[in-house]
Amino acid sequence: ETGVTQSPTHLIKTRGQQVTLRCSSQSGHNTVSWYQQALGQGPQFIFQYYREEENGRGNFPPRFSGLQFPNYSSELNVNALELDDSALYLCASSSGQAEQYFGPGTRLTVT
Amino acid sequence: DAKTTQPPSMDCAEGRAANLPCNHSTISGNEYVYWYRQIHSQGPQYIIHGLKNNETNEMASLIITEDRKSSTLILPHATLRDTAVYYCIVRVRAGANSKLTFGKGITLSVRP
Repeated sequence: ETGVTQSPTHLIKTRGQQVTLRCSSQSGHNTVSWYQQALGQGPQFIFQYYREEENGRGNFPPRFSGLQFPNYSSELNVNALELDDSALYLCASSSGQAEQYFGPGTRLTVT
Repeated sequence: DAKTTQPPSMDCAEGRAANLPCNHSTISGNEYVYWYRQIHSQGPQYIIHGLKNNETNEMASLIITEDRKSSTLILPHATLRDTAVYYCIVRVRAGANSKLTFGKGITLSVRP
């Protein structure tokens, strides 16, 4: 059974640019949640996708958007990057609202 | 805002039991108690969850008080690899409010 994978592992972007992060969910899971973790803080919920539809959103602006594909993999897109967007971005998959299993994260640095 | 309160840190000796407390005095009847841990720079790892009964799995035991206002995660024989931040989370398991709301967690340091 393959766990949750994320790509890329690290990336560096410039303020104002756009970024796309990718997540492959664990086999058999149909729900993907995205979290942002700033240094020294706990993860903060961005949004969740269930069967390709957004199913809940945290307190993040519209420039944070996402997609879920028919194979349940997912993308997180962030437009107009700001310095404060520098963080570890975590993807978690689950079967419906059961336990969420996290990937290793993508470390984004905005300069 | 997180609905749980945890001390910021604790330590224990390798091989001894680590008892990690959590207060959740405003927990609702349909909210479960979940525990995750995060080893430095890795994604959080699911440990265990429960509603009202005590639970045990291969990683840990979860003891929930009868009034459900607090719980304790027990690692029966802590090892150095158990050094991590442990998060106690209360969560419903249905609908759009089923997100995980992380607080600051408790940093467990296991000493040799």
